[in-house]
Amino acid sequence: DAKTTQPPSMDCAEGRAANLPCNHSTISGNEYVYWYRQIHSQGPQYIIHGLKNNETNEMASLIITEDRKSSTLILPHATLRDTAVYYCIVRLQDSNYQLIWGAGTKLIIKP
Amino acid sequence: DAGVTQSPTHLIKTRGQHVTLRCSPISGHKSVSWYQQVLGQGPQFIFQYYEKEERGRGNFPDRFSARQFPNYSSELNVNALLLGDSALYLCASSFGTGSGANVLTFGAGSRLTVL
Repeated sequence: DAKTTQPPSMDCAEGRAANLPCNHSTISGNEYVYWYRQIHSQGPQYIIHGLKNNETNEMASLIITEDRKSSTLILPHATLRDTAVYYCIVRLQDSNYQLIWGAGTKLIIKP
Repeated sequence: DAGVTQSPTHLIKTRGQHVTLRCSPISGHKSVSWYQQVLGQGPQFIFQYYEKEERGRGNFPDRFSARQFPNYSSELNVNALLLGDSALYLCASSFGTGSGANVLTFGAGSRLTVL
């Protein structure tokens, strides 16, 4: 079973910030939080990952709560091309790649 | 730079047949993983190979097998196809298995339909 819980769907207006929540209440101390997204009929695309600290890259920001039981992916200025299924995954550092994926959040950006 | 390439992109088979799917990783990447994605669900891990050795196997029957070649490309084989094998098969590559290999880069997938 997936170790994360995400809302099945969300809407966001184009140009606004999209905030995607993820619950991972059973995360252990050496497990990272990863975010991928999958645009229709394409392979998943890596977005960002983090352990304890907040992270930012050219695509998004990742905010992890102090107790690490939840996180939020932020797309600062959503565009129509950000419409996709977003997956939050936890995995052990240095583990094999048996990522356990949930159903993700279908994010729809509306004009 | 070429990304992860998979072939064929689409194929149709009938029950009982065999299929071979192919994957070429990003240049310099030594690890290849295979995932199955059924419509409406997240990907499910099938195999991981690193330096031609199997490093991980998911909960799939023995009808599924894979191998990695000296050039790090990989094949996924599925025998005795069932209707339930219809799915998008994803290949992902990464540099290695250590701390410097956190990120998987996925190909566009091979869409298998079993009739």
